[in-house]
Amino acid sequence: EVQLVESGGGLVQPGGSLRLSCAASGFTFNSYAMSWVRQAPGKGLEWVSAISGSGSNTYYVDSVKGRFTVSRDNSKNTLYLQMNSLRAEDTAVYYCAKDPRSSGYYFYFDYWGQGTLVTVSP
Amino acid sequence: EIVLTQSPGTLSLSPGERATLSCRASQSVSSSYLAWYQQRPGQAPRLLIYGASNRATGIPDRFSGSGSGTDFTLTISRLEPEDFAVYYCQQYVDSPRTFGQGTKLEIK
Repeated sequence: EVQLVESGGGLVQPGGSLRLSCAASGFTFNSYAMSWVRQAPGKGLEWVSAISGSGSNTYYVDSVKGRFTVSRDNSKNTLYLQMNSLRAEDTAVYYCAKDPRSSGYYFYFDYWGQGTLVTVSP
Repeated sequence: EIVLTQSPGTLSLSPGERATLSCRASQSVSSSYLAWYQQRPGQAPRLLIYGASNRATGIPDRFSGSGSGTDFTLTISRLEPEDFAVYYCQQYVDSPRTFGQGTKLEIK
């Protein structure tokens, strides 16, 4: 059974940093691209970042480029999102999500974690 | 960036009725690279449909997707109580991947 469990969310001041983690199990982690998708309170879904299965290719939405860094440790089956220079508009539930395609990517998502809440506020 | 516009914003129906949800893209979504998700309150999204018309694993056959180009539809043939939720479409042909703003399906 595929499981994705996020952690690391919390309250942070504007300009601060936070690192999110997503522990994966139930599938061959290094074969699948992974993404982060966020949802601001009461709002819709926004794709934020993605990383290839090997970790060699990364992708970002423009609004987080230069501030967020996605990475993965395939030996630990864990995905990360390092978030720096946080802004109020980054406040959201952050989901990690699995790509359905092995050895490649589509960047749609067949499995999602339950999410971790990041709140950026003074 | 491809903008997806979903309509209606809210749909009020009764259990047993048929629901038709629309997703319109600002430019053609080639290869029908469009997915639909369901999100119940307090839960993560769940994949329903990919490739515009293919049901994901474990999705009941009352859910169906159709369309091509810029116009796509999600149909729920007979609403069950658990189907009342928010539905999102997503394109995965262009970067960045984008979602529609959602359609809330509520009990009438």
